[in-house]
Amino acid sequence: QVQLQQSGPGLVKPSQTLSLTCAISGDSVSSNSATWNWIRQSPSRGLEWLGRTYYRSKWYYDYAVSVKSRITINPDTSKNQFSLQLNSVTPEDTAVYYCARIARTGTTWRFDYWGQGTLVTVSS
Amino acid sequence: DIQMTQSPSSLSASVGDRVTITCQASQDINKYLHWYQQKPGKAPKLLIYAASNLETGVPSRFSGSGSGTDFTFTISSLQPEDIATYYCQQYNNLPYTFGQGTKLEIK
Repeated sequence: QVQLQQSGPGLVKPSQTLSLTCAISGDSVSSNSATWNWIRQSPSRGLEWLGRTYYRSKWYYDYAVSVKSRITINPDTSKNQFSLQLNSVTPEDTAVYYCARIARTGTTWRFDYWGQGTLVTVSS
Repeated sequence: DIQMTQSPSSLSASVGDRVTITCQASQDINKYLHWYQQKPGKAPKLLIYAASNLETGVPSRFSGSGSGTDFTFTISSLQPEDIATYYCQQYNNLPYTFGQGTKLEIK
């Protein structure tokens, strides 16, 4: 059974960096049949995919254009986890942030496991 | 980005009713579509993947169909525990994009 456990602060000041971690159990961040994603949800923007990392003989990273200049997703193989850093946050970055796994199933992929969600509020 | 248009945005139905939600993609996404259920304070839960495949452990009253740009999600007989918001999501192209959601209520 895969579990994703999120951790990180729920309050970040404007212009500072939002940092969250997603600890993986039951799978490996280096898996060749999974990708590791961050998604956020807010009333104004709905569900918004932010980016992913995955390992296929080397590490790959993809980011949404809307946050590309501010986002970093990093795998940590020693702790079997991955992290999200979002720089220069504004109140518009206030949202519930989720980590999620996409796993290969035959010829398709499934967004099958999600973290519990972390409400991050950007406020001074 | 691929736009996902879901309708209706809200729906009120009685226990036992057949409920249908539609999702239209702004371009062909083959069958790369998920349907999720989300209850307040919880993460989205995958119900249907690849447009019509039932996720393990999900009741058979849930089903999905469609391909290309037009998709349908159906609950064959609405149960009280189905009260939630439902979302479609395409995973054909990056960025993955979601519909705006359908809030389902009991009449």
